[in-house]
Amino acid sequence: KQEVTQIPAALSVPEGENLVLNCSFTDSAIYNLQWFRQDPGKGLTSLLLIQSSQREQTSGRLNASLDKSSGRSTLYIAASQPGDSATYLCAVIYGNNRLAFGKGNQVVVIP
Amino acid sequence: NAGVTQTPKFQVLKTGQSMTLQCAQDMNHEYMSWYRQDPGMGLRLIHYSVGAGITDQGEVPNGYNVSRSTTEDFPLRLLSAAPSQTSVYFCAVRRLAGGTEQYFGPGTRLTVT
Repeated sequence: KQEVTQIPAALSVPEGENLVLNCSFTDSAIYNLQWFRQDPGKGLTSLLLIQSSQREQTSGRLNASLDKSSGRSTLYIAASQPGDSATYLCAVIYGNNRLAFGKGNQVVVIP
Repeated sequence: NAGVTQTPKFQVLKTGQSMTLQCAQDMNHEYMSWYRQDPGMGLRLIHYSVGAGITDQGEVPNGYNVSRSTTEDFPLRLLSAAPSQTSVYFCAVRRLAGGTEQYFGPGTRLTVT
């Protein structure tokens, strides 16, 4: 069974610092990995999708890396802003079109 | 394009009542799925469908039924609601090919008293 772990569960950083969020998965046979953002009481918004053949993906201040062999992905958010405060979830698609989620990194950016 | 829509946004049920959560998409994606999100448990897959007429169970299917008669709609039925089904429910869609992006609806917050 695929298990996805996100560490740390929660973190606070001062505005302007870079954010580093970690995601690990137990089965390296994945099709892709997707990072989402979730604001309190809201749905999930897709941030980045990394195909299994890719090493990284970038969008604006966001960069996500993928190391399939070690079962890890890292989401970097440069120059954090208070508006980046949210929960960040990673998910992998594997096996028979199954999707497994981590429990999220809850981020607070302090002005 | 509306993307993925869910109705209702909020619902309160009494134990034993039944109801259907609606999910509709206008993206023509084959794969549709239902998740529940609970504090400390993350998102868990309830049921999924790879196309009209085809459904399968996910991680936590007990107490829920689904059917898929069209590409666009994937309703989730609670036959006899229980307090343990109090949760936020999300519908998600994507193309069937394994490496594609998943899109989520806005969610339905269900409380069973």
